[in-house]
Amino acid sequence: GAVVSQHPSWVICKSGTSVKIECRSLDFQATTMFWYRQFPKQSLMLMATSNEGSKATYEQGVEKDKFLINHASLTLSTLTVTSAHPEDSSFYICSASAASYSNQPQHFGDGTRLSIL
Amino acid sequence: TQLLEQSPQFLSIQEGENLTVYCNSSSVFSSLQWYRQEPGEGPVLLVTVVTGGEVKKLKRLTFQFGDARKDSSLHITAAQTGDTGLYLCAGAWGGATNKLIFGTGTLLAVQP
Repeated sequence: GAVVSQHPSWVICKSGTSVKIECRSLDFQATTMFWYRQFPKQSLMLMATSNEGSKATYEQGVEKDKFLINHASLTLSTLTVTSAHPEDSSFYICSASAASYSNQPQHFGDGTRLSIL
Repeated sequence: TQLLEQSPQFLSIQEGENLTVYCNSSSVFSSLQWYRQEPGEGPVLLVTVVTGGEVKKLKRLTFQFGDARKDSSLHITAAQTGDTGLYLCAGAWGGATNKLIFGTGTLLAVQP
């Protein structure tokens, strides 16, 4: 159980386009979803936390107008990278949890590799 | 500022050797998790430690949480090529949030 699916798994696009990444919880309702960014051979950096039906909370240094997060249902959150540039190329990973309490585990998706040409 | 420092950053060993990865912080965490991640995939949870001084064993992997809940270690006995991957510790603050802070990561390569 507790499967999280990300789509697409890999995307290549031209500089200046906007890219949407989906994160779905397949067999549970995800009250809270997290979005992370990871550069090659580095750790996961938390970008934002989203709770269903409310605005996302962004970490310091993350541009909310650049990385639009929508969590409109209990099974789907989307991350849109607007006007993407080569420096936005990275591995984006989402996680989902059934609640935001401290003992609730995060279930991770398999990530989306974004390459901006 | 990275709150959780892992060492070593990179480690290349031969199959059959033992190794220890450290995860250190000046902050106190309510719990600490260890993950293993392979290229192009999401991290996979290995263990969660909650109590200061706790030791957990998972086959050839031994995890320890420091008495003060500020640090942790992962020891692998008789490493195998299948142990290759990026090892990440992650601290949880507790309370009303399950937000995680990930460590800097340790990239392990086990050579045949």
